[in-house]
Amino acid sequence: VRLVQTGAEVKKPGASVKVSCKASGYTFSAYAIQWVRQAPGQRLEWMGWINAGNGNTKYSQKFQDRVTFTRDTSTFTAFMELSSLRSEDTAVYYCARARMDVWGQGTTVTVSS
Amino acid sequence: DIQMTQSPSTLSASVGDRVTITCRASQSINSWLAWYQQKPGKAPKLLIYKASNLESGVPSRFRGSESETEFTLTISSLQPDDFATYYCQQFNDYPYTFGQGTKLDIK
Repeated sequence: VRLVQTGAEVKKPGASVKVSCKASGYTFSAYAIQWVRQAPGQRLEWMGWINAGNGNTKYSQKFQDRVTFTRDTSTFTAFMELSSLRSEDTAVYYCARARMDVWGQGTTVTVSS
Repeated sequence: DIQMTQSPSTLSASVGDRVTITCRASQSINSWLAWYQQKPGKAPKLLIYKASNLESGVPSRFRGSESETEFTLTISSLQPDDFATYYCQQFNDYPYTFGQGTKLDIK
C-alpha cells in the first residue's frame, strides 16, 4: 500500500499549485484521502479530505476559499490545488489515507518572489 | 476549534527509560485521538488510534491511555529508533487539530 506524491514545487506569490497523490496496493475508491501540511518548524495542520469514491469533500474553514480537492479514479490519483499562494503557504504538503495509516512522502511547496 | 496542548514540548531521555507524553484537549473528543511519530524529513507514522488502540506493526512498548480530556502516550522502554517528535491529533470535530509536538531526544 503506497501513496506517491509529486515532486517539489516553487511558485510565485499569487500563483496556484496542484499536488498529486497516486495510490497503489489498495482499492482507491474505498477510502478517503486526507490532506495535511506542515510549515517549517510548525505543527501539522489538517486541510480536509476527499471521498475518493464519490468525490465528496470537506475543507477546513481556513482553506475553504482557496483549496480544491479532486480525484481521478481511472489513475487512482488524488489532487490538491491551492490558489492565491502567499509566503505563509510555504510548507510540506502530505496526503494520507482515510484514518492516516498510510502517508505520502510529502511535497515541498515553496512560495517566493 | 478544539485546541490540543501537548506537554512537555521537549523531553530528554536515555535508552531503556520509560517516558510519558501528555495531550490535553480543550473539550471532550470522545476518544477520537491518534498519536503519530515523525522523524526529520519524513512523513508522520500512525502509532495509536482511538486513544488506546495500537496500530498494526507498532511495537507493544507504545501504549495510549485516556482520562476524560487528557490523553497519554507511554513508551515503556525507549529504544534508539524512538527518538523523534510525537504529535497527537483529534478527530472528533472539524477542523481536525494537532498538538504542537513533543520532541524526544537523547539525554
